[in-house]
Amino acid sequence: QVQLVESGGGVVQPGRSLRLSCEASGFPFSSHGMHWVRQAPGKGLEWVAVIWYDGTKQFYADSVKGRFTISRDNSKNMLYLQMNSLTAEDTAIYYCTRDQVGRFDYWGPGTLVTVSS
Amino acid sequence: DIVLTQSPATLSLSPGERATLSCRASQSVSVHLAWFQQKPGQAPRLLIYDTSNRATGIPARFSGSGSGTDFTLTISSLEPEDFAVYYCQQRISDWPPLFTFGPGTKVDIK
Repeated sequence: QVQLVESGGGVVQPGRSLRLSCEASGFPFSSHGMHWVRQAPGKGLEWVAVIWYDGTKQFYADSVKGRFTISRDNSKNMLYLQMNSLTAEDTAIYYCTRDQVGRFDYWGPGTLVTVSS
Repeated sequence: DIVLTQSPATLSLSPGERATLSCRASQSVSVHLAWFQQKPGQAPRLLIYDTSNRATGIPARFSGSGSGTDFTLTISSLEPEDFAVYYCQQRISDWPPLFTFGPGTKVDIK
């Protein structure tokens, strides 16, 4: 069965960096685009970034463009999100989600990132 | 940018009642509108994609409809496990591909 498991969250100081990981299993990872979606505490969902199935293209929400980088390693079935210059507004649960013809059909349980001094 | 609004913000109903949730786009969007359910402490779950197609394993009491700027999620008869927050989601740009979610509707027990 499809499984996505995020890791790498934690408490980080403003201005610092953090890298999130998402381990995928149960499906042909290299055949699917992947997204990161985040949710601030008590708030709604915000799309963050997408990466093409082969890693050749990446796109970002304006709120993270220039600070976050999405990448993947298809040989390891891994998705990543490198987050730099973090601010309190980046505090959220970060979910990885699989793209199936434009729909987000499977989600991981999420990993919490807290940006605080 | 296309903005999705959802109404009402909160819907208070009893089990067995019908729930009608609205999602409105600021301009006409494609049929690639989706609905998600989220329960406290859980990840969102895909319910409906492409306006009216139920995702795998989703009960028939969930249905979606709409076109243009107005879309609806209907739960025909609420079960206890349906009390949750519901989000609509749309791809708002073909190129570059950009996506957005509505602010959500909370369905709680009356």
